[in-house]
Amino acid sequence: AQSVSQHNHHVILSEAASLELGCNYSYGGTVNLFWYVQYPGQHLQLLLKYFSGDPLVKGIKGFEAEFIKSKFSFNLRKPSVQWSDTAEYFCAVILTGGFKTIFGAGTRLFVKA
Amino acid sequence: DTGVSQDPRHKITKRGQNVTFRCDPISEHNRLYWYRQTLGQGPEFLTYFQNEAQLEKSRLLSDRFSAERPKGSFSTLEIQRTEQGDSAMYLCASSGGPSGRAYNEQFFGPGTRLTVL
Repeated sequence: AQSVSQHNHHVILSEAASLELGCNYSYGGTVNLFWYVQYPGQHLQLLLKYFSGDPLVKGIKGFEAEFIKSKFSFNLRKPSVQWSDTAEYFCAVILTGGFKTIFGAGTRLFVKA
Repeated sequence: DTGVSQDPRHKITKRGQNVTFRCDPISEHNRLYWYRQTLGQGPEFLTYFQNEAQLEKSRLLSDRFSAERPKGSFSTLEIQRTEQGDSAMYLCASSGGPSGRAYNEQFFGPGTRLTVL
């Protein structure tokens, strides 16, 4: 079955620490990849997306993600987190030409001030 | 506010009752999605509309669930004969962009939280 796996359900970091959240998917075809974020009390919003081209994509608020096709991965990174990055982060995949979006279970990040 | 809106925000119902939720997408968006989210899980795809056409529906959706988007603007999601397992957050999202590209950014609404007693 098609799926998206996020390896860490809960992450706790201190401010200025580096962040890497793992995401792996199980599709065999060409995919489009997304990271969404949900800050406390807010709607889901897009952090960044990958369609094609440079596998290293940059998003808002200093986040970036790298698509590694051979590993079916799209990990999210940030070199130095801030308290305001406390949120839940979701990886999502759409098959190229398709409509169905598959989300991972999410990773709750808590950043200690 | 020009974002995606959903109504109601909260719904409590008794098992066996029917419920209907409404979603108003961003006005220029032609694509609309419904998702269900339970505690500790990511959004689970339910169905997708392009304009008024329902182009994909999850096999997870039983016959008790139906969605419409009659004029290609707002959409409704109806659940008939609700069960306790239907308790969840129901999210709506919309997107726009070049025709044929379903993989643009989706803008999410605040959701409708359903509790079935």
